[in-house]
Amino acid sequence: GNSVTQMEGPVTLSEEAFLTINCTYTATGYPSLFWYVQYPGEGLQLLLKATKADDKGSNKGFEATYRKETTSFHLEKGSVQVSDSAVYFCALSVGAAGNKLTFGGGTRVLVKP
Amino acid sequence: DTAVSQTPKYLVTQMGNDKSIKCEQNLGHDTMYWYKQDSKKFLKIMFSYNNKELIINETVPNRFSPKSPDKAHLNLHINSLELGDSAVYFCASSYTTGGTEAFFGQGTRLTVV
Repeated sequence: GNSVTQMEGPVTLSEEAFLTINCTYTATGYPSLFWYVQYPGEGLQLLLKATKADDKGSNKGFEATYRKETTSFHLEKGSVQVSDSAVYFCALSVGAAGNKLTFGGGTRVLVKP
Repeated sequence: DTAVSQTPKYLVTQMGNDKSIKCEQNLGHDTMYWYKQDSKKFLKIMFSYNNKELIINETVPNRFSPKSPDKAHLNLHINSLELGDSAVYFCASSYTTGGTEAFFGQGTRLTVV
């Protein structure tokens, strides 16, 4: 079956620090990979995505590269802000499985001023 | 103009009651989903409908019954509510095409007392 594993949080950082959240996956078929973000009290928003190997998704200073050889999709940001405090979810979907999303457990990130 | 809207946002009810959550999307998507987020933030697919037809039905108690009157609406009815049903329920929609992202509603926080 499909599964996503991401590092457990919480991750606590100071403003302007470098952020990395590790994500690895197993999938039957050729998955598309996503990072979603959930701000407190809100729903999930797509942060970025990649649909094939070596693609790099990027948005709002965040980046992640689809690494098929290591089955990974690590999220990075060079300089975090307090407003980046949220829960981040790595996810995959396989078209043959009805495009449903399989999520990792989420990583809570807290950025302190 | 909200893309995926679900109501109500909060729902507090007693054990044994029956309740419904409604969801509507105005994105023209052909697939809609219900996800459940537990107290540890873990997200899991419950159901998926494509053009009003049920295509994904994960292991969910029969007390949960989705209904899709048209492809823009997907409602969730829950019978005989139990304490363990307390969670946040998210509606989402997407195109069926592999690799397309899902858009999520704001969530419904259900508390069973």
